[in-house]
Amino acid sequence: RKEVEQDPGPFNVPEGATVAFNCTYSNSASQSFFWYRQDCRKEPKLLMSVYSSGNEDGRFTAQLNRASQYISLLIRDSKLSDSATYLCVVNNNDMRFGAGTRLTVKP
Amino acid sequence: DAGITQSPRHKVTETGTPVTLRCHQTENHRYMYWYRQDPGHGLRLIHYSYGVKDTDKGEVSDGYSVSRSKTEDFLLTLESATSSQTSVYFCAISEDRVAYEQYFGPGTRLTVT
Repeated sequence: RKEVEQDPGPFNVPEGATVAFNCTYSNSASQSFFWYRQDCRKEPKLLMSVYSSGNEDGRFTAQLNRASQYISLLIRDSKLSDSATYLCVVNNNDMRFGAGTRLTVKP
Repeated sequence: DAGITQSPRHKVTETGTPVTLRCHQTENHRYMYWYRQDPGHGLRLIHYSYGVKDTDKGEVSDGYSVSRSKTEDFLLTLESATSSQTSVYFCAISEDRVAYEQYFGPGTRLTVT
């Protein structure tokens, strides 16, 4: 079983839609959590950290459920520019990356 | 954007040849990392460094060595490249190993023929 698992997608949604991604992790001792965004043939870039209380940054909301060991990312009012691969990252001394969920937002 | 550069950005080499990739940072971060990214696997840690001359192995370190002689530079060497090392290699930096996010360089596309 992979340490971090994500639905690879692809998710194809129209502009303005709300889309949610989930990610599960296996190491209950994991200490920090992040969502990264990766555009095609580019480096991953930090989208947001994920806190136990949940956090929001504009149209993006991240939630952490330690009891069930999953992390979620909600994108509201999707834009064409949101099209990318979203990587779930879990840190327990070493960063463990999910393989990513691909999102395509269509006009 | 964090000041991280990688060189070369693309390289094609033959099986059995040595290859060195360079990562350079201007952020003065203590930690530096080398990852490889392959389809379906996500990023996997090869080696990391926690200071000058201080390095440790990651998840997929076989066939790779690293060196860090200055805070700003972290080198990854493939002593004898194999086709299984064809991949995209990313360097990353962070202030701390656990609590802080990592920032990535633009990547190096390596093809071993």
